[in-house]
Parts: sequence; C-alpha cells; structure tokens
Amino acid sequence: DGGITQSPKYLFRKEGQNVTLSCEQNLNHDAMYWYRQDPGQGLRLIYYSQIVNDFQKGDIAEGYSVSREKKESFPLTVTSAQKNPTAFYLCASRGQGANSPLHFGNGTRLTVT
Amino acid sequence: AQSVTQPDIHITVSEGASLELRCNYSYGATPYLFWYVQSPGQGLQLLLKYFSGDTLVQGIKGFEAEFKRSQSSFNLRKPSVHWSDAAEYFCAVGAPPGNQFYFGTGTSLTVIP
Repeated sequence: DGGITQSPKYLFRKEGQNVTLSCEQNLNHDAMYWYRQDPGQGLRLIYYSQIVNDFQKGDIAEGYSVSREKKESFPLTVTSAQKNPTAFYLCASRGQGANSPLHFGNGTRLTVT
Repeated sequence: AQSVTQPDIHITVSEGASLELRCNYSYGATPYLFWYVQSPGQGLQLLLKYFSGDTLVQGIKGFEAEFKRSQSSFNLRKPSVHWSDAAEYFCAVGAPPGNQFYFGTGTSLTVIP
C-alpha cells in the first residue's frame, strides 16, 4: 500500500544536539510538508516543498532545516537553535490539483531534555 | 488572510447521540474544505472534503459535512456517535491555486457510554 513513513516513532535527544526526522513517501506526490503539533495549537507549518530541490519556509521555520534531494524523501533537521523542540512532528504529502487533500504519516514525537 | 476557527475545544457526547462539530473559515473565494480525524499519537486521517457541487458531502465512518457559504461554515455531523469516534477533529482550508493548508486548533471529542 502507498503511504508516508515517518521514523522513528519516538526520539529522545539532549539539548544542544541536532536531530533529523525521516519522512518517506511512495505516493508519487510532488508536494511534501512538515508540521509541528503542540497541545491546543493545532498544526503549524514548518517547511514545505512543491518539487525536488526546492522548498519554502512555513510559519515557524526558525531553528529547522530541510532538504529535498529526492521526490520520495523530505527529512527535517531540528537544530540546536530551535528553542522549544519538544513536540509531535507530522509529515504530509499532496498530489496534483488544488483540491487534493494532504496525506499524513503517523508522526514522530521528539523529546529534548 | 485565510484562517480557520473551531470554537469548541472539547465536546462530550453520549454514545448513540448525534454530533455536530463547528468550523468557520475566513477566505475571499470558495475554498477547498477538509475534515480530518486524529487518534492519540497518530497522524491525521481524511474524513471528507468539499470543493464544489452539492454542499452536503458524505465521508467515511458515517460522517457528513455541510458547506454554508453565507455563514462561512463547514460543520461536521454524525447522526449516532460510537465510542470509537473519540478522537481529535481538525477542520482545514486549502486555498487555491497554491499549496497552503490552514488548520483549526481542533476539537477533542469524548464519548461516554
């Protein structure tokens, strides 16, 4: 079955360390997204990419970086510059057409202590 | 600017009772509207979407939603709630022709036996 795979499910890091979250999709979607979810705040867009080798900042890009070297992959790096990195991170992709919905992975819960 | 408001942070209903979750959006033209459901620690699953045509749309798991342009609303309904419907529900707006999605802050549903 086609879908989006996020790994790992849980991730623990010490403060000051960079960490990379993996997102892979086999839906052949051009567009991919990273969202951060905190209790009571809904989903906030970190970065998105509409095509390979191109990406745009979302609403809360500070302290994060991404790459899009392959259509299937859109890894997110949480850097030490991110002041409050502990959160639930969701990756999504979207097919062609303005009315196409987002398809989500099962998320990665990052805890930084 | 586009925005989505879900005025109810938390709703509790009895199993078998009817359900209505409210969603209001702000957008200059007819948006593409979506409802998603999220179980704890999981990604978001698409329930239904609206982009044109009949203003009453049917989705999965017995849910339906009605688009009311005059009220800028897209409320989600279910005639009879099951205990397995307990989850977080998110309304989202996709603004054409770009790829941005805007999410509400979610409504948490508790179902009591």
